[in-house]
Amino acid sequence: EAQVTQNPRYLITVTGKKLTVTCSQNMNHEYMSWYRQDPGLGLRQIYYSMNVEVTDKGDVPEGYKVSRKEKRNFPLILESPSPNQTSLYFCASSLDRVKGEAFFGQGTRLTVV
Amino acid sequence: GQQVMQIPQYQHVQEGEDFTTYCNSSTTLSNIQWYKQRPGGHPVFLIQLVKSGEVKKQKRLTFQFGEAKKNSSLHITATQTTDVGTYFCAGTRMDSSYKLIFGSGTRLLVRP
Repeated sequence: EAQVTQNPRYLITVTGKKLTVTCSQNMNHEYMSWYRQDPGLGLRQIYYSMNVEVTDKGDVPEGYKVSRKEKRNFPLILESPSPNQTSLYFCASSLDRVKGEAFFGQGTRLTVV
Repeated sequence: GQQVMQIPQYQHVQEGEDFTTYCNSSTTLSNIQWYKQRPGGHPVFLIQLVKSGEVKKQKRLTFQFGEAKKNSSLHITATQTTDVGTYFCAGTRMDSSYKLIFGSGTRLLVRP
């Protein structure tokens, strides 16, 4: 089954404690992205990747890091989480830039206290 | 800041009434996509429009892309309770970057 898998689904952590949210897709997609979803703000792109070892900042990259060592995986790293990073996070993948249909993971609800 | 505006933010309708959400971009888009997110779920792709003035239909849903490729609309005829959710438009900018810019979404509630 074609899917994008995120882990964990829920996470409560403390300020400053490094964390990683994993994302994996089994569709051999080149393009992957991370979004955060906040009430009234829709989905805002954090980082995206056009291929292995190619990543770029989205609209709200501050406080986040990503890596793309393999095509299928695109982890999101919060080196020192802060309460304003409390949000719902989605990973998405797409076949290519032209077609663009994005497949989303189930989401990770992160709370930073 | 937000470059794709979507209105209304909320819409509460009686089952059987029609519903429309509008999406406006400050810049020309190469394409527009629409997604639906059920409560507690993740966004699910509905459709993509590419051509200027394009109109596509999916059963009770009609999607339009403006002539200038800066605006779009989603119209649902005779809403049903299964239509409940948040509808997002998302545009791809006409530059070399791959950035899918989402609107803020319209949350649809349907009274049975």
